[in-house]
Amino acid sequence: KAGVTQTPRYLIKTRGQQVTLSCSPISGHRSVSWYQQTPGQGLQFLFEYFSETQRNKGNFPGRFSGRQFSNSRSEMNVSTLELGDSALYLCASSYEGNTEAFFGQGTRLTVV
Amino acid sequence: AQSVTQPDIHITVSEGASLELRCNYSYGATPYLFWYVQSPGQGLQLLLKYFSGDTLVQGIKGFEAEFKRSQSSFNLRKPSVHWSDAAEYFCAVQRPSGGYNKLIFGAGTRLAVHP
Repeated sequence: KAGVTQTPRYLIKTRGQQVTLSCSPISGHRSVSWYQQTPGQGLQFLFEYFSETQRNKGNFPGRFSGRQFSNSRSEMNVSTLELGDSALYLCASSYEGNTEAFFGQGTRLTVV
Repeated sequence: AQSVTQPDIHITVSEGASLELRCNYSYGATPYLFWYVQSPGQGLQLLLKYFSGDTLVQGIKGFEAEFKRSQSSFNLRKPSVHWSDAAEYFCAVQRPSGGYNKLIFGAGTRLAVHP
């Protein structure tokens, strides 16, 4: 069974640009969550999508958005990038609520 | 406020020695509890989880954790550490109700293993 796939693995962007990250969950999983990991703030929850609907949202500015498609694949978008957005972005998929979350390897975003 | 505290930022042990990583949580009710491990530049791998029942849970790679309600703790243990256990370990909590997958993580404990 294939795991959670995140693309791309690495990205370098310039301040002010926007970026889109992709996450393909494990087959059959309908829940996809996104997390930001930085040395200063640790692992922070961004949002969760379930059956194409945002179900939970963390405390991030509106520049961070996401969506989920009918095949459960999810994308997150960050607009007007800031240096502080440099982080490892992790995606996790789950079968249903309150079950084990399987994480992808992450996308390393560097904003210069 | 809901929070997870991992008091030890760095721990160094010798290979073959026992290990205990501490985790305390603050939550309105007993949450679901998890331990994850992360190798450098990688995602998170679940070591074990506690939802209910037996307070001593077994996980992968020889790890176990004990839930102590009175202390709001969920400490991770391993009787004999291997060099490959060097990684960062995260404790996490989750609201114990359906339809809610948000994980709240502690700051992590970085484990170094001396040969």
